[in-house]
Amino acid sequence: EVQLVESGGDLVQPGGSLRLSCAASGFTFNSYGMSWVRQAPGKGLEWVSGISGSGGSTNYADSVKGRFTISRDNSKNILDLQMNSLRAEDTAVYYCAKSPEPGYNYCMDVWGKGTTVTVS
Amino acid sequence: DIQMTQSPSTLSASVGDRVTITCRASQSISSWLAWYQQKPGKAPKLLIYKASSLESGVPSRFSGSGSGTEFTLTISSLQPDDFATYFCQQYNIALTFGGGTKVEIK
Repeated sequence: EVQLVESGGDLVQPGGSLRLSCAASGFTFNSYGMSWVRQAPGKGLEWVSGISGSGGSTNYADSVKGRFTISRDNSKNILDLQMNSLRAEDTAVYYCAKSPEPGYNYCMDVWGKGTTVTVS
Repeated sequence: DIQMTQSPSTLSASVGDRVTITCRASQSISSWLAWYQQKPGKAPKLLIYKASSLESGVPSRFSGSGSGTEFTLTISSLQPDDFATYFCQQYNIALTFGGGTKVEIK
């Protein structure tokens, strides 16, 4: 079964840091791009960051550029998001999502259940 | 950045109704559009990709159409399980989502 399980969400003070992880299983992890998508309470979806299957290409939303870093460990089937200089507006449920292609610039066909980040 | 505008933001309908949701892009995105369904407290679920391709396992009452800047998601006969929020997403340049359409019981 294809599965994504996020972890690492927590309550953190403004200016603090947090590292989210996503454990992938049931598919050939290094063959697919991955993204982080977030959803603030009662709001819509916002793409945060994406990384190609090889890890060689990454991109970020303007709202997090310079503060967040996406990475992946294809030997351990893990996707990470390092979040620094956190702000109240970063409060959201963060989803890990899989692309059906090696790149990240696609739709997302598998999603995790999400992990909650609260900045306060 | 490409902006995605969905309408309506809320839609009241009854079981058996034909429902149409519209998504407009601020510039042409060819057919690089996906539709998702999200229920409260759950992750989004992919319904449609490349504007009109039905994701495996999704009921055939869901269909998508359009290209360029205007797209529609149609539910041919609304079922009780379909009351949810629907989002469009473009993936032509970067990735952006529409604001969502909540389909509620009339």
